[in-house]
Amino acid sequence: IQMTQSPASLSASVGDRVTITCRASQTISNFLNWYQQKPGTAPKVLIYAADRLQTGVPSRFSGSGSGTDFTLTISSLQPEDFGTYYCQQSYSNLYTFGQGTKLEIK
Amino acid sequence: EVQLVESGGGLVKPGGSLRLSCEVSGFTFSNDNMNWVRQAPGRGLEWVSSINDKSDYIFYADSVRGRFSISRDNAKSTLFLHMNNLRAEDTAVYYCVRLGVVTTVYWFFDLWGRGTPVTVSS
Repeated sequence: IQMTQSPASLSASVGDRVTITCRASQTISNFLNWYQQKPGTAPKVLIYAADRLQTGVPSRFSGSGSGTDFTLTISSLQPEDFGTYYCQQSYSNLYTFGQGTKLEIK
Repeated sequence: EVQLVESGGGLVKPGGSLRLSCEVSGFTFSNDNMNWVRQAPGRGLEWVSSINDKSDYIFYADSVRGRFSISRDNAKSTLFLHMNNLRAEDTAVYYCVRLGVVTTVYWFFDLWGRGTPVTVSS
């Protein structure tokens, strides 16, 4: 299953609403997870099952979607939200990630 | 404290072999599905392989199937990745990762090590 994210990169200001999309090459129901990775560190899970917030993750992060199209939204961008965001499907045992979206703070 | 500590990375020539290890503490390793995920320099994340708690369900990415072998020693809380016939495109940081589960249905990578670098070059 191929996962395609867009955009590949974006730059936004503190307080902006930011949206990242992820599309699966076939239906994956809601078996979709989102991760944040900062330079030099391991990724951290933000959202699982498409729209469920992982414990400890700020509520400004939210996820939506089902089937093949998914969205990660940051409602009010904070300085610490820079990094690269990845979607990942867990519908198939051959897990796959999107290519990543690099988010920069203006 | 949860810890996943990878070791065994290094520089190896094309066609060579390497064995990565991941020592785990702070959770019940023998109950959990474990994985290797890699990241080539400046590139995205690529899932490599997974192994369930009893080692009877094992999966590999197409890019490594037939060359890599995952295994585990539950008595020693250690995960392994045996890598053979290494290629330049296997150069990456290799992360040891637990697959967490919620309500027995939703799986996601919830615990990560810091990674061990592997460089394949002549």
